Amino acid sequence: EAQVTQNPRYLITVTGKKLTVTCSQNMNHEYMSWYRQDPGLGLRQIYYSMNVEVTDKGDVPEGYKVSRKEKRNFPLILESPSPNQTSLYFCASSLRGQNNQPQHFGDGTRLSIL
Amino acid sequence: DQQVKQNSPSLSVQEGRISILNCDYTNSMFDYFLWYKKYPAEGPTFLISISSIKDKNEDGRFTVFLNKSAKHLSLHIVPSQPGDSAVYFCAASGWDSNYQLIWGAGTKLIIKP
Repeated sequence: EAQVTQNPRYLITVTGKKLTVTCSQNMNHEYMSWYRQDPGLGLRQIYYSMNVEVTDKGDVPEGYKVSRKEKRNFPLILESPSPNQTSLYFCASSLRGQNNQPQHFGDGTRLSIL
Repeated sequence: DQQVKQNSPSLSVQEGRISILNCDYTNSMFDYFLWYKKYPAEGPTFLISISSIKDKNEDGRFTVFLNKSAKHLSLHIVPSQPGDSAVYFCAASGWDSNYQLIWGAGTKLIIKP
């Protein structure tokens, strides 16, 4: 089954404790992206990757890191999480990084930073 | 300043009637628009899209209309069914967003039986 898998689905942690949210897709997609969803703001892009070893900042990259060492994986790293990073996070992928190609989303990761 | 706005946080429609969800944008450089549907505890799923060279695109019960002069698009669902109850997001992209999607805040559609 074609899918985007995020882990963990839920995480409660404390300020300053490094964490990684994994994202994996099995569709051989070139393009992957991370979003955060906050009430009243819709989805905002954090980082995206057009292909392996190519990453770019989205609209809200501060406090986040990503890497794309292999095509299927695109982990999101919070080196020193803060309470303002409490949010619902989505990973997405598409065949190419073109705007006419719909993105496939994971089911989300709800992070709470205390 | 939000470039894509969905001004109705929620909408309630009787089953069998037409649902109309609206979306306004401010950036005239946007040239592609998409609608996604999201159920609770799931990620968004693609529904329908439209290019700026068209003013209408239809897929079964779903039709998207684009009015470029008004910078407005709408999603029509006819007839509305209980399974259509979800949050609907409008998204847009263009060359000056580096073709990355800019999203609206979403509209929660409730279909009443």
